[in-house]
Amino acid sequence: EVQLVDSGGGLVQPGGSLRLSCAASGFTFSDHYMDWVRQAPGKGLEWVGRIRKKANSYTTEYAASVKGRFTISRDDSKNSLYLQMNSLKTEDTAVYYCARASGTFVFDYWGQGTLVTVSS
Amino acid sequence: DIQLTQSPSFLSASVRDRVSITCRASQGISSDLAWYQQKPGKAPKLLIYAASTLQSGVPSRFSGSGSGTEFILTIRSLQPEDSATYYCQQRNSYPITFGQGTRLEIK
Repeated sequence: EVQLVDSGGGLVQPGGSLRLSCAASGFTFSDHYMDWVRQAPGKGLEWVGRIRKKANSYTTEYAASVKGRFTISRDDSKNSLYLQMNSLKTEDTAVYYCARASGTFVFDYWGQGTLVTVSS
Repeated sequence: DIQLTQSPSFLSASVRDRVSITCRASQGISSDLAWYQQKPGKAPKLLIYAASTLQSGVPSRFSGSGSGTEFILTIRSLQPEDSATYYCQQRNSYPITFGQGTRLEIK
């Protein structure tokens, strides 16, 4: 069974940093692109970014709203995905989901989400 | 960026009704569109990809159509468990974008 478990959320002050993790199981993690998607309280879904697989040199893509502040990485030996968030702003407050990109590059499995609150 | 506009934003219908949700793209995206269902407090669930292909395990009362700039999600014979928010998403170009969502209420 495919499982994605998000963790690492919490309360952080504006300007601070936080690292989210996503533990994957039940599939060959290294074969898939992986993404982060967020959802601010009461709002819609916003794509954060993507990391490709080793065959594609682990290259990344980011939304303009987080580019230069957030970094996506992965450790295929640990079946884990990460989101390093720096220079956090109040508008980064959201539930963050990791998501697996399918062969057609849509999100076929999602984590349960982890809440990040940026507030003083 | 490709903007996706869903209509309506809110929909109220009865059990066994047929409903449709439209997603319009600001530029052509071929068939690179997916639909998701999200219930409160839960992660989204993939329903349809490539505009019209039903994801494995999704009931056949869900269907998708369209290409280019206009897409439709149709749910026939509504069930109480279909109460949720529905999002379209394009994967044609970066940044990946979602529609603003359509909340479906079952009367």
